[in-house]
Amino acid sequence: DTAVSQTPKYLVTQMGNDKSIKCEQNLGHDTMYWYKQDSKKFLKIMFSYNNKELIINETVPNRFSPKSPDKAHLNLHINSLELGDSAVYFCASSQDKGYPSYEQYFGPGTRLTVT
Amino acid sequence: RKEVEQDPGPFNVPEGATVAFNCTYSNSASQSFFWYRQDCRKEPKLLMSVYSSGNEDGRFTAQLNRASQYISLLIRDSKLSDSATYLCVVNDENSGTYKYIFGTGTRLKVLA
Repeated sequence: DTAVSQTPKYLVTQMGNDKSIKCEQNLGHDTMYWYKQDSKKFLKIMFSYNNKELIINETVPNRFSPKSPDKAHLNLHINSLELGDSAVYFCASSQDKGYPSYEQYFGPGTRLTVT
Repeated sequence: RKEVEQDPGPFNVPEGATVAFNCTYSNSASQSFFWYRQDCRKEPKLLMSVYSSGNEDGRFTAQLNRASQYISLLIRDSKLSDSATYLCVVNDENSGTYKYIFGTGTRLKVLA
């Protein structure tokens, strides 16, 4: 069974469209994250939720809106897509707000291409 | 100065070689550290945590030097399957919330 799953795996869309990426974890973790990995392979956190509450909100355009319907799911909605949004988006989860000793488990990533 | 810095490589080494990567971090209050491995077009996966006293897992040894603010990863007897990007991660705390800060990664190619 996949621990952290994301859908879709690939997403190709045109500028100006709105799209969503879904993430689910079956590890029983209470904290989930969204990361963006750009073309230079740099991985940077965007958001984190703990028990459905937003706890980390990095400097991300407000076109990006995360939503957590329950602690096992964290979705990412992106409005008015731009070319610069093309990247790989990874979802991750961990226990207890990522307390020092707890590792994060990553989903397989969603490769978003905006044309 | 970047929060977490790594030499991007690539490090090209023959099978059986020993290779070491370093990573420096800027926040002296950082509490925990990890090495993750990322294969091409895959997600990052934990390789090992880095403990203050240093730790070993098979062919892999991680060390932490808090005074100089760097961590290292040593790979002995390199295998072809070790070819990947190795990501240094610092887990920073802010008001009870912990956040991973990733380095840009060091690419390793083990050659037959």
